[in-house]
Amino acid sequence: DAKTTQPNSMESNEEEPVHLPCNHSTISGTDYIHWYRQLPSQGPEYVIHGLTSNVNNRMASLAIAEDRKSSTLILHRATLRDAAVYYCISSSNTGKLIFGQGTTLQVKP
Amino acid sequence: NAGVTQTPKFRVLKTGQSMTLLCAQDMNHEYMYWYRQDPGMGLRLIHYSVGEGTTAKGEVPDGYNVSRLKKQNFLLGLESAAPSQTSVYFCASKRGGDTGELFFGEGSRLTVL
Repeated sequence: DAKTTQPNSMESNEEEPVHLPCNHSTISGTDYIHWYRQLPSQGPEYVIHGLTSNVNNRMASLAIAEDRKSSTLILHRATLRDAAVYYCISSSNTGKLIFGQGTTLQVKP
Repeated sequence: NAGVTQTPKFRVLKTGQSMTLLCAQDMNHEYMYWYRQDPGMGLRLIHYSVGEGTTAKGEVPDGYNVSRLKKQNFLLGLESAAPSQTSVYFCASKRGGDTGELFFGEGSRLTVL
């Protein structure tokens, strides 16, 4: 199972872009990279996922390094509602999904 | 469409008591998971299942047992509860394969005195 490493915390100003990094240097060629976020007092929710190409959806963008050893979740304009813990995980063909500690994002008005 | 439903949402136990947490999903998902989350910490995988009748250990399986007798249900059992098992428990499910999105329940808050 590929281990992911994220900074413990990050800060951002409201309406500015946020780049949340994740290292997954042991990821295998077929493992997807998934991002989830957990708002206070809630269960995690899906944000985005990708394999090799950069991905965009209504919530965020995912930039994946060419060697796939790292990725970056991009929130284009942070809002106060984006303050959450963001988890980067890699999928596994065994079905085992390990979350880790995640990055706590604070958004300042 | 209820999604993932956890029962009960709150429970207080005394040390040594047993209990079962029920997770039910109505999305016909193959994979189901039980995580625990301690205050200020990330989610830790307890057990998971990749199909009816199958279970596997996660990161912190000791003190817990699970069963997946029906595809839609994943039960988490504590045979002899300990204060260290005080936590919020989250169940999740997803369709099989690498790309499926995890859907989480609302969590079950367990306190062991």
